[in-house]
Amino acid sequence: SQQGEEDPQALSIQEGENATMNCSYKTSINNLQWYRQNSGRGLVHLILIRSNEREKHSGRLRVTLDTSKKSSSLLITASRAADTASYFCASHSNYQLIWGAGTKLIIKP
Amino acid sequence: GAVVSQHPSRVICKSGTSVKIECRSLDFQATTMFWYRQFPKQSLMLMATSNEGSKATYEQGVEKDKFLINHASLTLSTLTVTSAHPEDSSFYICSASLTVTGNTIYFGEGSWLTVV
Repeated sequence: SQQGEEDPQALSIQEGENATMNCSYKTSINNLQWYRQNSGRGLVHLILIRSNEREKHSGRLRVTLDTSKKSSSLLITASRAADTASYFCASHSNYQLIWGAGTKLIIKP
Repeated sequence: GAVVSQHPSRVICKSGTSVKIECRSLDFQATTMFWYRQFPKQSLMLMATSNEGSKATYEQGVEKDKFLINHASLTLSTLTVTSAHPEDSSFYICSASLTVTGNTIYFGEGSWLTVV
């Protein structure tokens, strides 16, 4: 199956800084979702942005969507050590989720 | 909110045996459930789409005779790994679609399978 692409693959920043992750996809979508996964755990749904939306906020999270470029970004502001995890984007088209490879985010205290 | 329960969370089995993993939607009816597997340090790979009352749709490269999927009711889908081999050891995750259009998808906690 197809896979989207995320960059960077790994990101290490100091606590308090902002973290930005990007995701690109290849087909037209219904929506795009961002998930977080702590090591060895299941996925936690963070935020969903629909194809007709351009920006969405949830707490310290800000997601943008550019359907013309087929890309999305996830911004985590004022990062905390507890934000250390892998973050995945998934583009949703009909009954399929097409996943990015994920970004491993490390927040240094 | 909607919850998807997966069982067992961890299972160890011997080579050659079969293992069944259950995925239940606890407070909603899911016409569609998805099964994924995740290798260490890799992203999720969609294995199959499970449709209630009909045959599952498998992704290219996934052996349907090895990974048997049954979606017998609107709240339960099962994945059976038959004649398991050590290379089948992986993290298996199911998800269920809440709405007809599938715009909201909820995930189970995943099942660690180790084949020895």
